[in-house]
Amino acid sequence: NAGVMQNPRHLVRRRGQEARLRCSPMKGHSHVYWYRQLPEEGLKFMVYLQKENIIDESGMPKERFSAEFPKEGPSILRIQQVVRGDSAAYFCASSPAYLANTGELFFGEGSRLTVL
Amino acid sequence: KNEVEQSPQNLTAQEGEFITINCSYSVGISALHWLQQHPGGGIVSLFMLSSGKKKHGRLIATINIQEKHSSLHITASHPRDSAVYICAVKNMDSNYQLIWGAGTKLIIKP
Repeated sequence: NAGVMQNPRHLVRRRGQEARLRCSPMKGHSHVYWYRQLPEEGLKFMVYLQKENIIDESGMPKERFSAEFPKEGPSILRIQQVVRGDSAAYFCASSPAYLANTGELFFGEGSRLTVL
Repeated sequence: KNEVEQSPQNLTAQEGEFITINCSYSVGISALHWLQQHPGGGIVSLFMLSSGKKKHGRLIATINIQEKHSSLHITASHPRDSAVYICAVKNMDSNYQLIWGAGTKLIIKP
């Protein structure tokens, strides 16, 4: 049973380009969370999604950032017109519905975005 | 003041030492999590606690609900234990949100 799969693991973009980060949750998990970790800082919640629904995007910047979790396929975190300050590790976590209330999360290895 | 405070922020110890990392919180919780993050690596869940004590190998986690405090202990520490250890609590007023500590960076020297 594969864990949470994130790709790419490393992504380099120039300022103004778009970054797309993908997350395939564990099999049977319908809840996906995205977190951002700036260098030398802790995890910051960005967005919580269930299939085809954004439940909470309170941690996501209002501009340039968007997330989706379609009925089929992985969850996508999209950053348009990237700036240097977007350089960070982006972690995806998933949980099955029955564990959602416990806060138990299963994390991916992260995608490390570097903006030149 | 943060709702979840970890101490110490940084800890360096010699191989074999007994390690204690502390987590204090100020909100009502339904669960507390300890996680581990290796440099440049992913995040692994170590324990989920709502009361008492749990043990897994050389790792022990305890929680005192009345005192709103949890500890993570590592016995016979080893350089491979070097990582950031993160405490996160599940606020009982929230369906899913975790409140995260800033992490404790542990370095075990051989």
